[in-house]
Amino acid sequence: GAGVSQSPSNKVTEKGKDVELRCDPISGHTALYWYRQRLGQGLEFLIYFQGNSAPDKSGLPSDRFSAERTGESVSTLTIQRTQQEDSAVYLCASSQFGTGVSPLHFGNGTRLTVT
Amino acid sequence: DAKTTQPNSMESNEEEPVHLPCNHSTISGTDYIHWYRQLPSQGPEYVIHGLTSNVNNRMASLAIAEDRKSSTLILHRATLRDAAVYYCIPGTSGNTPLVFGKGTRLSVIA
Repeated sequence: GAGVSQSPSNKVTEKGKDVELRCDPISGHTALYWYRQRLGQGLEFLIYFQGNSAPDKSGLPSDRFSAERTGESVSTLTIQRTQQEDSAVYLCASSQFGTGVSPLHFGNGTRLTVT
Repeated sequence: DAKTTQPNSMESNEEEPVHLPCNHSTISGTDYIHWYRQLPSQGPEYVIHGLTSNVNNRMASLAIAEDRKSSTLILHRATLRDAAVYYCIPGTSGNTPLVFGKGTRLSVIA
């Protein structure tokens, strides 16, 4: 079946511009996560959506970062006024239930380069 | 959050078994132990998870110490496609996001 889909796969933007990254989770998955991975580094948690609960935004690095999710479907991560340190691969994952109960399924990420 | 310690890197010969260790001495009694791997240029991929008993699936086996302070991921016959970074992650039974460390980079030699 279809996995987690992310678009675009690559994005090059100029410093100061806004970008939107999209994630299409697996149908029926109630939980959706965004992570960031800088070159040669581990995954950094950004934000987590679970059903209709308020999202866990504790990992967002600054108020330039925001994310939305429509019901239990598509999510969009927005970065305003991009900076060079925002360059990274942005990974989205979904799971059927909570992380302790069901596995995370990751997309292949969006590689963001800020010039 | 429970902390984990994994070797930075390991090397294995093709078709040999591989034992990837993980120490998680501060794990709580309700934390599951999750293993994921990340192949080059891909997102992480679920491998296996368990709570107390040893677990087997088509990809690997997970051996959990009796005191749960450590676990070992076992790949029974390494292939070149198993070359990846392997992450050991304690996770709660609730909805707390998994925290990925730096993992172990496994190289497989033909």
